[in-house]
Amino acid sequence: DAKTTQPPSMDCAEGRAANLPCNHSTISGNEYVYWYRQIHSQGPQYIIHGLKNNETNEMASLIITEDRKSSTLILPHATLRDTAVYYCIVRVFGNEKLTFGTGTRLTIIP
Amino acid sequence: EAGVAQSPRYKIIEKRQSVAFWCNPISGHATLYWYQQILGQGPKLLIQFQNNGVVDDSQLPKDRFSAERLKGVDSTLKIQPAKLEDSAVYLCASSLAGAWADTQYFGPGTRLTVL
Repeated sequence: DAKTTQPPSMDCAEGRAANLPCNHSTISGNEYVYWYRQIHSQGPQYIIHGLKNNETNEMASLIITEDRKSSTLILPHATLRDTAVYYCIVRVFGNEKLTFGTGTRLTIIP
Repeated sequence: EAGVAQSPRYKIIEKRQSVAFWCNPISGHATLYWYQQILGQGPKLLIQFQNNGVVDDSQLPKDRFSAERLKGVDSTLKIQPAKLEDSAVYLCASSLAGAWADTQYFGPGTRLTVL
């Protein structure tokens, strides 16, 4: 699976949009980008995934660059409950395995 | 819908002792995963079951770790004997049919401290 690079930590003011970047410059054509988050003392939680088109659901939006070498997870109106570690994962088509890195620790500031 | 259940939530043991963790996946989920998460790191897959058969146990330290999923529902993960480096959170996850696009749902984990 392609390797991902994320900043170790970020802060965001409550109510503002949180933009979390992820670099996956070695991504292959059959690899999807997945985002999970892990709130303190809980298991990881699925957020969103995409291949090459931008995706949006009730939790977040995923913007993937045209060359697919990077992506941004957007939480449109961050709340204190969004404080968590966010993991960007590249997953090979047909492979059920999730390979987690160290993620980005996002802190929402009141 | 009930989530993935795990017990106990916390366990403290001394090195060389044995310990077992239990997981009850979401009803109807055929695939079950056990992950190990060491402090400051992301979860690492230890073993994956499809129903009651093992799909992937390549990262399971088989000299001390064992897991089973009898009847294709509940699962137990055992460590015998435990080492200091086994201190971690052990997460159980399940997915509907094991298809690659299926979302994995995680339990709250069991925090193990080995003294």
